[in-house]
Amino acid sequence: EPEVTQTPSHQVTQMGQEVILRCVPISNHLYFYWYRQILGQKVEFLVSFYNNEISEKSEIFDDQFSVERPDGSNFTLKIRSTKLEDSAMYFCASSVAGAQETQYFGPGTRLLVL
Amino acid sequence: AQSVTQLDSHVSVSEGTPVLLRCNYSSSYSPSLFWYVQHPNKGLQLLLKYTSAATLVKGINGFEAEFKKSETSFHLTKPSAHMSDAAEYFCVVRGPGRRALTFGSGTRLQVQP
Repeated sequence: EPEVTQTPSHQVTQMGQEVILRCVPISNHLYFYWYRQILGQKVEFLVSFYNNEISEKSEIFDDQFSVERPDGSNFTLKIRSTKLEDSAMYFCASSVAGAQETQYFGPGTRLLVL
Repeated sequence: AQSVTQLDSHVSVSEGTPVLLRCNYSSSYSPSLFWYVQHPNKGLQLLLKYTSAATLVKGINGFEAEFKKSETSFHLTKPSAHMSDAAEYFCVVRGPGRRALTFGSGTRLQVQP
C-alpha cells in the first residue's frame, strides 16, 4: 500500500538555524499539506499546496515558513530561522483531489530546537 | 469556525469489552468528520469518515461512528476491544469548502489483558 514518507525522523537544530523537512507524498496525489503538533497540544494545520501554489494557510504559517515542490516527488517545509517554539512533530499529508478526499499522513518528523 | 472536543483524554478498557470514545463538534455548516488513529511511531491513519451520506459510518478494524446532528456528536465505538487497538485516537472536522483539518486533543486508549 502506498505511503507518505518523511525524512528525517528526528532533527535537532540550534535556534536561528534554517531547517528543511522533507516529504514524499503518494505518487498520484495532487494536494499536499503540513501539520504540526507541539508536545502536549493539538495537531494544527499549517498549509495546503496544489498546482505549485499555496491554496490555504493558517495564521501559524508566517514568513518564517515556506513550502516547495522542488521536483516531481518531494514536498518540503522550510523554516528560515528556527525558534524554540518551533519544536514540534511535523506531519506531511497528501490527498488525491477534491474537498471530500481523505488526507493520508506520514509518520512525522520530530524537530527539536535548542 | 469549526472545532471538536474529545471528552476523554484517556480511556482504559479490558480486552473483549466495548470501546466508546466520545467526540462533540461545533460547526456553522454541515461538516465532514473523521476519526484518525495513531500508533506509536506511525503516521495518522484514517479509521472512518462522515461526509453527509449515511449517519452510521463503518470503518476499518471493526470501528464505527454515528453522526448525531441533534447532539452534535460523532462518537467512535467498537463492540470488542483488541490489544492492538491501544493507540491515540483523534476526532477531526473539516468545514465545507476548506482543506484544513481541525483536530481534537486526542484520546489515548489503553487495552488491558
